[in-house]
Amino acid sequence: AQKITQTQPGMFVQEKEAVTLDCTYDTSDQSYGLFWYKQPSSGEMIFLIYQGSYDEQNATEGRYSLNFQKARKSANLVISASQLGDSAMYFCAMRLQGGSEKLVFGKGMKLTVNP
Amino acid sequence: DSGVTQTPKHLITATGQRVTLRCSPRSGDLSVYWYQQSLDQGLQFLIQYYNGEERAKGNILERFSAQQFPDLHSELNLSSLELGDSALYFCASSVGAGGEYEQYFGPGTRLTVT
Repeated sequence: AQKITQTQPGMFVQEKEAVTLDCTYDTSDQSYGLFWYKQPSSGEMIFLIYQGSYDEQNATEGRYSLNFQKARKSANLVISASQLGDSAMYFCAMRLQGGSEKLVFGKGMKLTVNP
Repeated sequence: DSGVTQTPKHLITATGQRVTLRCSPRSGDLSVYWYQQSLDQGLQFLIQYYNGEERAKGNILERFSAQQFPDLHSELNLSSLELGDSALYFCASSVGAGGEYEQYFGPGTRLTVT
């Protein structure tokens, strides 16, 4: 069965610094997708970035990049130049390709950006 | 704004009652997904519809049911409500049904069962 593990319950970072949010996953499938979502205190889930298991390059979207290490089964999110608005819950998720398209989420971690 | 709309935003009801949550996907998206977010269970997938047909089922209780209509909006029906059903219910949509498509989430409906 698929499983996502986010072990950091919370992190603090200074504004303008970079921060790495950890995510490890477990699946025996070869074809899958990894996602990161942000959930601010208002509650909505905001899609940040996607990495396919066969993508050779790490995904990047603006200040977000995904450090994908397939052999270690990790998909860490890197936020460069943190902003106060980055304070939120962050969820890592996985979806198998070719089977059920459900997203399996980790428990999330809370990022607080300090001025 | 993801383009996915959900109504109502908040719902307070009593145990034993039945409620209907509504979702309109982004224009052009054919897949609709329902998720439940609670403090103890986290974010859990409930059910997926693609172009009107049920495509995948997750941890959805028998008291819950869903459907997707010809105009592609979807409804999640929750009946015989229990205190433990209090949660944030999200609808998400994607353009296709494959795993390579990102899912865009609506703002959620916060259900409180008293």
